[in-house]
Amino acid sequence: QKEVEQNSGPLSVPEGAIASLNCTYSDRGSQSFFWYRQYSGKSPELIMFIYSNGDKEDGRFTAQLNKASQYVSLLIRDSQPSDSATYLCAVATGGGNKLTFGTGTQLKVEL
Amino acid sequence: GAGVSQSPRYKVAKRGQDVALRCDPISGHVSLFWYQQALGQGPEFLTYFQNEAQLDKSGLPSDRFFAERPEGSVSTLKIQRTQQEDSAVYLCASSPGQQTTFGSGTRLTVV
Repeated sequence: QKEVEQNSGPLSVPEGAIASLNCTYSDRGSQSFFWYRQYSGKSPELIMFIYSNGDKEDGRFTAQLNKASQYVSLLIRDSQPSDSATYLCAVATGGGNKLTFGTGTQLKVEL
Repeated sequence: GAGVSQSPRYKVAKRGQDVALRCDPISGHVSLFWYQQALGQGPEFLTYFQNEAQLDKSGLPSDRFFAERPEGSVSTLKIQRTQQEDSAVYLCASSPGQQTTFGSGTRLTVV
């Protein structure tokens, strides 16, 4: 079992819809959770982080964390074509906050 | 600098050649990480520095891989006797604490 699991997609949503991206993790001791966006050929860009159970909202993005279920999700409201990218879920493990990544979910927002 | 700077952006090496990849982190960032990203995968942790101390090198795939950060700022990842399986994007990242910022990466192709 991989430490961080994501559906690779592609996930296709129409413009203006809500995109829901999901991630599960295996280490119950994990404390910090991150969502990175990666455009093709570019480096990962941090878009959201969450440490506590519940929801955290930032503009069109909402991160949700459920530590009991070992589940993290990212909601993107009013999806735009510019949101089309691969979304990487990452969990901080060990000392120094080294990140363990999932394989990423490819999101396509269609006109 | 304003961001994490990596050089070269692209490197083609003949199998068996040694390569050196450079990373200049964000000024003042204590933590520096190297990750390897294969095509279609999430980044995989290689090694971690806190200032000049290499605190975790558990992700280095073999003794052909060596990293250093002698003055606690610029870091170099060296790969000796490159093999085809070393072909990947090598990402450097730095962090002042919780949040990690990635550089643009070096795409290494071993032919």
